[in-house]
Amino acid sequence: AQTVTQSQPEMSVQEAETVTLSCTYDTSESDYYLFWYKQPPSRQMILVIRQEAYKQQNATENRFSVNFQKAAKSFSLKISDSQLGDAAMYFCAYRRNSGNTPLVFGKGTRLSVIA
Amino acid sequence: GAGVSQSPRYKVAKRGQDVALRCDPISGHVSLFWYQQALGQGPEFLTYFQNEAQLDKSGLPSDRFFAERPEGSVSTLKIQRTQQEDSAVYLCASSSRSATSAVGPSSYEQYFGPGTRLTVT
Repeated sequence: AQTVTQSQPEMSVQEAETVTLSCTYDTSESDYYLFWYKQPPSRQMILVIRQEAYKQQNATENRFSVNFQKAAKSFSLKISDSQLGDAAMYFCAYRRNSGNTPLVFGKGTRLSVIA
Repeated sequence: GAGVSQSPRYKVAKRGQDVALRCDPISGHVSLFWYQQALGQGPEFLTYFQNEAQLDKSGLPSDRFFAERPEGSVSTLKIQRTQQEDSAVYLCASSSRSATSAVGPSSYEQYFGPGTRLTVT
């Protein structure tokens, strides 16, 4: 079975600074996707960034970028120029690439942004 | 509507009561997922529909949990004889492609609703 581990229950960052959230996963599959989701207090799960396992290039979306290390099964999220609106729970998730398959989530990291 | 909606947003039930949670997916979305998110945890998969067919119910924790999507759009998650351990946020997600489609990864992106917070007292 696939598992996703987030070892940092809580993180904090000063506004405008950079923070990195860690994620490791375990799978025997070679073809899969990895995601970072943001969940604010409203509970709405919002997709932040997606990485296809077959792509060597790390995904970027504006201030958000990932460091994908396939051999190490590591998938960290870097948030640059942190903003107050970035404060939320962040979940790392995995999905096997076999049609429309369910997401497997980590336990999450609560990010606080300090003004 | 523009997004996935769920109702009610909050539900308090006495132990032993039955509850029904509703999910309205994005119009035209073929696939629908239910997840359970316990306090302080990540969401965990419960069940998956493609149109009206329930293709995977391996995550349902007990036979007290039942889900349906009779017309391939709105889905209802029913929990019978609720227990305290059922207290959680129940999230619904929909996506636009079926399991047999070969279009790129973004076609399988799951769009989440705001969830229903169930508290069993």
